[in-house]
Amino acid sequence: SQTIHQWPATLVQPVGSPLSLECTVEGTSNPNLYWYRQAAGRGLQLLFYSVGIGQISSEVPQNLSASRPQDRQFILSSKKLLLSDSGFYLCAWTGQDKNEQFFGPGTRLTVL
Amino acid sequence: GEDVEQSLFLSVREGDSSVINCTYTDSSSTYLYWYKQEPGAGLQLLTYIFSNMDMKQDQRLTVLLNKKDKHLSLRIADTQTGDSAIYFCAESPPGPLGAGSYQLTFGKGTKLSVIP
Repeated sequence: SQTIHQWPATLVQPVGSPLSLECTVEGTSNPNLYWYRQAAGRGLQLLFYSVGIGQISSEVPQNLSASRPQDRQFILSSKKLLLSDSGFYLCAWTGQDKNEQFFGPGTRLTVL
Repeated sequence: GEDVEQSLFLSVREGDSSVINCTYTDSSSTYLYWYKQEPGAGLQLLTYIFSNMDMKQDQRLTVLLNKKDKHLSLRIADTQTGDSAIYFCAESPPGPLGAGSYQLTFGKGTKLSVIP
């Protein structure tokens, strides 16, 4: 069966520090991968999606970036965090049945 | 533009039925989804319905779709305390966005509180 992992589960970082969040998917190949952010009291905002290795599309302008170095690995990064980057970051994937999108457990990021 | 609206809160007594409502604006949406998020966790796909259907039932869950009014609802029968969570409605466009990506548009979520 397929599983999705996110690491770390929680993170507290100072303003201006770098960021690297990792998402890995097991049990599938060539998934579409997504990064969402959920700010307090808000819905989900799609940040990036990827349809293949090295292919990244950005949905909103921001100081975040994403990379997909391997088929089942999706990384969210920042060179310098802002206070407004605080939130709950969710990774998701779709497989052969593109109609079903499954989410990881999320990473809670607090920028101080 | 695309938008998905939900009421923010719903409170029901244990054993009663819960009905969570959602409206969307994109009449070309192909699939409509319900996700459940428990505190501190990711989103769990509960069910989804294809736009040419008007009802789908899965155990205690019933999804009703009124495509004319762009209204989607989720009914939870015999609501239990374990159903307390935030429920998100989402819609997807009729085809792949860009090169095969499927972007979902989410509502802000309805927080369901179940009173014992």
